[in-house]
Amino acid sequence: KQEVTQIPAALSVPEGENLVLNCSFTDSAIYNLQWFRQDPGKGLTSLLLIQSSQREQTSGRLNASLDKSSGRSTLYIAASQPGDSATYLCAVRPWNSGYALNFGKGTSLLVTP
Amino acid sequence: EADIYQTPRYLVIGTGKKITLECSQTMGHDKMYWYQQDPGMELHLIHYSYGVNSTEKGDLSSESTVSRIRTEHFPLTLESARPSHTSQYLCASSAGLGISGEQYFGPGTRLTVT
Repeated sequence: KQEVTQIPAALSVPEGENLVLNCSFTDSAIYNLQWFRQDPGKGLTSLLLIQSSQREQTSGRLNASLDKSSGRSTLYIAASQPGDSATYLCAVRPWNSGYALNFGKGTSLLVTP
Repeated sequence: EADIYQTPRYLVIGTGKKITLECSQTMGHDKMYWYQQDPGMELHLIHYSYGVNSTEKGDLSSESTVSRIRTEHFPLTLESARPSHTSQYLCASSAGLGISGEQYFGPGTRLTVT
């Protein structure tokens, strides 16, 4: 079964810093990888979707990269803001899962003013 | 902006009661999913549907059942709630031909069984 690991589990940074969140997965046979944001007690907001044939995707201050062969993805957040404080989840869609996603436990980010 | 709705948002109910968690989407997506999330843990898929009259169990065993009579509606039912069912339940949907569909999530239902 596909295992998804996110490091670090928690991160606290001052406002304005650039930061990197890491995601690793055990089986490179994936269709795509998706990054989500989850605010406390809320649902998930999709941030970026990277297909297996792509190397990266960008949206505003967010940039996600995918190295499928090494089983890694990074989410880069530029010029962090207090409003970025949330839990960030990484999920992969394996070839053998139908349409289901395998999630990591997330990185809890706190950006302090 | 994805339009996927879940009701109720919060539910506290006694053991043995029958409950139905509602999920609706207005995007015309053919695929819908239910995930369960315990605090600090990963989301786990409990049910999914590829379309009307199609339902499958996910990788996490669940005592709940689902139905898909209309494209836009995917309710989840617990016939007899127990404290072990206390969790957050998240509904999602996706579209697209083939494999590339991005999943969109509802706001979740936080269930507490006393």
